[in-house]
Amino acid sequence: QKEVEQNSGPLSVPEGAIASLNCTYSDRGSQSFFWYRQYSGKSPELIMSIYSNGDKEDGRFTAQLNKASQYVSLLIRDSQPSDSATYLCAVKGMDSSYKLIFGSGTRLLVRP
Amino acid sequence: NAGVTQTPKFQVLKTGQSMTLQCAQDMNHNSMYWYRQDPGMGLRLIYYSASEGTTDKGEVPNGYNVSRLNKREFSLRLESAAPSQTSVYFCASSVTAYNEQFFGPGTRLTVL
Repeated sequence: QKEVEQNSGPLSVPEGAIASLNCTYSDRGSQSFFWYRQYSGKSPELIMSIYSNGDKEDGRFTAQLNKASQYVSLLIRDSQPSDSATYLCAVKGMDSSYKLIFGSGTRLLVRP
Repeated sequence: NAGVTQTPKFQVLKTGQSMTLQCAQDMNHNSMYWYRQDPGMGLRLIYYSASEGTTDKGEVPNGYNVSRLNKREFSLRLESAAPSQTSVYFCASSVTAYNEQFFGPGTRLTVL
């Protein structure tokens, strides 16, 4: 069983719409959660981090965390074609390991 | 402030050849990491260095060695390259092992 799961997509949304990206994780003790954006042929770029239950907003991005249900989501408001990329969810557990577990990513396509 | 830099950007090796991938960061981060990214597999941790003078194995260390040369530099060595090591390699760094990781531009390695 994969430790961090994401729908591979592609998730296709029209320009201006809200894109909703979801991620579930298996380690109930996980404490830190990150969203990275990766354009084709480029490296992952950190866009959001969240550590406690609830919502965290940064510009057009909102990260939502629900530890009881073991999921974290990323909402992108007013989606733009430039948001088209693969979004990686990463989770860090509370054990002594320094390992950050990445999901395989969801590909987002924003149609003009 | 260049962030995380990696050399080379591209490399083609023959089976059995050796090479060293170089990584440097100028953010005064304590922790550094090497990942590989393969289609459908996501990012997998090869080795990490929580602080200068320490290195530890990650998820897929076989066939690799690392050296934390100083606080800035963390190199990855392939002693005898195999076609299974064809991948994109990313170096990352973080303030400490508990913080967000920032990625370099990557090295695209092909082993024939």
